[in-house]
Order: sequence, then structure tokens, then C-alpha cells
Amino acid sequence: TQLLEQSPQFLSIQEGENLTVYCNSSSVFSSLQWYRQEPGEGPVLLVTVVTGGEVKKLKRLTFQFGDARKDSSLHITAAQPGDTGLYLCAGLHLPSGNTPLVFGKGTRLSVIA
Amino acid sequence: DTAVSQTPKYLVTQMGNDKSIKCEQNLGHDTMYWYKQDSKKFLKIMFSYNNKELIINETVPNRFSPKSPDKAHLNLHINSLELGDSAVYFCASSPHPHSTTNEKLFFGSGTQLSVL
Repeated sequence: TQLLEQSPQFLSIQEGENLTVYCNSSSVFSSLQWYRQEPGEGPVLLVTVVTGGEVKKLKRLTFQFGDARKDSSLHITAAQPGDTGLYLCAGLHLPSGNTPLVFGKGTRLSVIA
Repeated sequence: DTAVSQTPKYLVTQMGNDKSIKCEQNLGHDTMYWYKQDSKKFLKIMFSYNNKELIINETVPNRFSPKSPDKAHLNLHINSLELGDSAVYFCASSPHPHSTTNEKLFFGSGTQLSVL
């Protein structure tokens, strides 16, 4: 079983601050995804990273896939209350046959105005 | 025009009862899933279907029986509900076949199941 560890588990910051959350594993993943989940809703896909060392930007969010494809980070610049939510990373291991996406346990972010 | 819709949103029931959760997607996707999210927010796959055929059954008790009448629907029936079944159940669909690099999930808004 490929496990994904996310840290920190909880994060509470003031509006305007920067933050980074991490997703780590001892396994190599073919791709890694980040989702954001708001209360009472399902997770929504933010980004997929595929290549080791890849960096993707989505407005104030920057996603990086580790060179060895075992870890990833999400950096948010100038956080806003609308960024509040549960951030989940999910990894896909190929060749996997029918191995499903593996989810981390998430980082719960609270941005206070 | 919700993409992945599941009903009911909330389900409160007694231990031992049988209940069903319905899911429909209007995205034209071939692959659908059921996930369980526990109280600690850990999201774990239960079943995966590709074009009405069962692909993944992740050691889920046989009290849980998915049924896919067509590729746009994947319902979940649960027999003899137990306290430990209390969780949020998410339906999801994907435009790509399972286990490809491009696999991406579109989730419903969840069904909060409480077994008393």
C-alpha cells in the first residue's frame, strides 16, 4: 500500500500570510493530484502534476512535484478567507493495473480575515 | 445542471436497516466510483465501475452492493447497517479510464450517513 502523509494536519493563519503544505511518501508516483474540499461538498480537483520537478501555478497557488516523484508541495501566497478548506493530495502509481488513487488525510486550512 | 448528483444528502437510520444511496452523472463519463470519508476526513475508495462493469472492490464488506444500471448511474445499497458505517459517502466519475495518468475525479457533494 502506498501511503501519502500530509503535513501539517491543521493550519490556521491570518489573511495575507503565505503558507506551504506538504505531501510525502516513500513510494514513487506516476502522477499526483491536489484537491480542495469545502464543508458539505465533495473534493474539487485543482491540479495534476506528472513530471518530476514540475511546477504548476494556479493564480496564488503554486504546486511542485518532487524530483523523485515521491513528494509534492502546495504553496499559497497572500492567503485569503476563500482559500479555507481541506486540501487533499492523491497519488497514482503506475503500472498499477487496477490500483486506485491513494489519498492523503488532508491539511485543514483556516484563513482568518 | 449538477455534474455528479447523489441523493439523499443526509441519511439517518437505525442499526440493522437496509438503505440505498443513488448517484447520477451527466458528464458522459465511463468510469464511476464510490468513496467513503471517515470522521477524520480520510477518503478511501470502495468501488470503481467502468462502463457498468465492476473494476475495483476494495475489501468492502459484502453488505455493500453497488449497482450500475447504465454508465451514468452507480447506486450503493447497504444491508444490515452497522454503527461503523457512519461516514460521508461520495460518488465520483472520471472522463478517463481507470489507472491512467490523466485520471481525474469529479465528486458529488456527498451523503452523510448516520447509523444510530
